[in-house]
Amino acid sequence: QSALTQPPSASGSPGQSVTISCTGTSGDVGNYNFVSWYQQHPGKAPKLMIYEVNKRPSGVPDRFSGSKSGDTASLTVSGLQAEDEADYYCSSYAGSSGVVFGGGTKLTVL
Amino acid sequence: QVQLVESGGGLVKPGGSLRLSCAASRFTFSDYYMTWIRQAPGKGLEWVSHISGNGRTINYADSVKGRFTISRDNAKNSLYLQMNSLRAEDTGVYYCASFRAWNCDYWGQGTLVTVSS
Repeated sequence: QSALTQPPSASGSPGQSVTISCTGTSGDVGNYNFVSWYQQHPGKAPKLMIYEVNKRPSGVPDRFSGSKSGDTASLTVSGLQAEDEADYYCSSYAGSSGVVFGGGTKLTVL
Repeated sequence: QVQLVESGGGLVKPGGSLRLSCAASRFTFSDYYMTWIRQAPGKGLEWVSHISGNGRTINYADSVKGRFTISRDNAKNSLYLQMNSLRAEDTGVYYCASFRAWNCDYWGQGTLVTVSS
């Protein structure tokens, strides 16, 4: 299984918005609406932030939003806060290959 | 609040075996698919395997197929991962997670597996 492609880093100042992309193929992101996003702080377990492209679990701030166009999914964090600084991973259902993850994006709040 | 606690990690020599466990509580374990996800040191997440609530549907990543076996005991609210023929590239933190609609909604804290001579 090939990993989804994410930029290694992204950054923004407090209050700004930042968007992280996640590019797959027609075998995963492009064909299924089962794209998820996870936030991971250093030394901690990942936390689900977005599922099924654009749905937020209970308790996740509405500053986090997801979208998809073709083979690329995106996570947007609006109104950046210091606690948003973390690694972010996308994942997608990939049919018979199961689940595939992106390589991760380190988000820095300047 | 859902609780997942992994155990069984440790240092093992290449070619060796290890069995990971995940104790679940505060939710109806048998209703949920469960999954193992791993993370090599300083690297990203990798899906390893998942199992349906009744244990009848199982899937593995190609990287572990034939070497790892996932199982569960719903009476004990426990998930397992039997890892055989371990390789250096299997080193990492192994997380168990509840698995719904192809996403991992609750995660354990992880257990570290180190494969080294």
